[in-house]
Amino acid sequence: DVKVTQSSRYLVKRTGEKVFLECVQDMDHENMFWYRQDPGLGLRLIYFSYDVKMKEKGDIPEGYSVSREKKERFSLILESASTNQTSMYLCASRTPGTDNSNQPQHFGDGTRLSIL
Amino acid sequence: AQSVTQPDIHITVSEGASLELRCNYSYGATPYLFWYVQSPGQGLQLLLKYFSGDTLVQGIKGFEAEFKRSQSSFNLRKPSVHWSDAAEYFCAVGGRSSASKIIFGSGTRLSIRP
Repeated sequence: DVKVTQSSRYLVKRTGEKVFLECVQDMDHENMFWYRQDPGLGLRLIYFSYDVKMKEKGDIPEGYSVSREKKERFSLILESASTNQTSMYLCASRTPGTDNSNQPQHFGDGTRLSIL
Repeated sequence: AQSVTQPDIHITVSEGASLELRCNYSYGATPYLFWYVQSPGQGLQLLLKYFSGDTLVQGIKGFEAEFKRSQSSFNLRKPSVHWSDAAEYFCAVGGRSSASKIIFGSGTRLSIRP
């Protein structure tokens, strides 16, 4: 089974801090994603990465950056945390189909981040 | 514009009763459709997917969904729910290519009445 591991289940940080959320997958997946989940808004894509050292902005990239130096690891960085970034953060990974088709994503258990 | 609508924010059904969760989508090309389930404190797990072929797809945990192109719908059904089905359910749509983004609905929270 695919395992996507997020380093922290719960995290509390202060306004202005630089925050790192880590995600590791063990199935050699090319694609990795960061979402935030807020009540009534579903999942919103922050950033994604098609492969190592590649990154693309999602729908809500402002205030965030990402790093993908190794295939298995995708880090989300809050450059200067603000209270409106309090949320549940979900990491996902997948590999494209053999015909480069869309395939389901595999999700981690999430990190609930509180910014005080 | 591409979008997914789950019109029901919260549904409560009795254990043993049938269930239908609604999903409507707007997508310009042939859609790939997914249903995910999220149990409390966990990430999302794929229930089923529709890519092509038979419009009635079977998934895990006894769930099924029917793709109706004319109605732009992909409703999730289960003939008899169990208390363990209490969770949040997300419908999602994407394009055929892996380069296309997946768009998620806002979710439907399912509660089970004993």
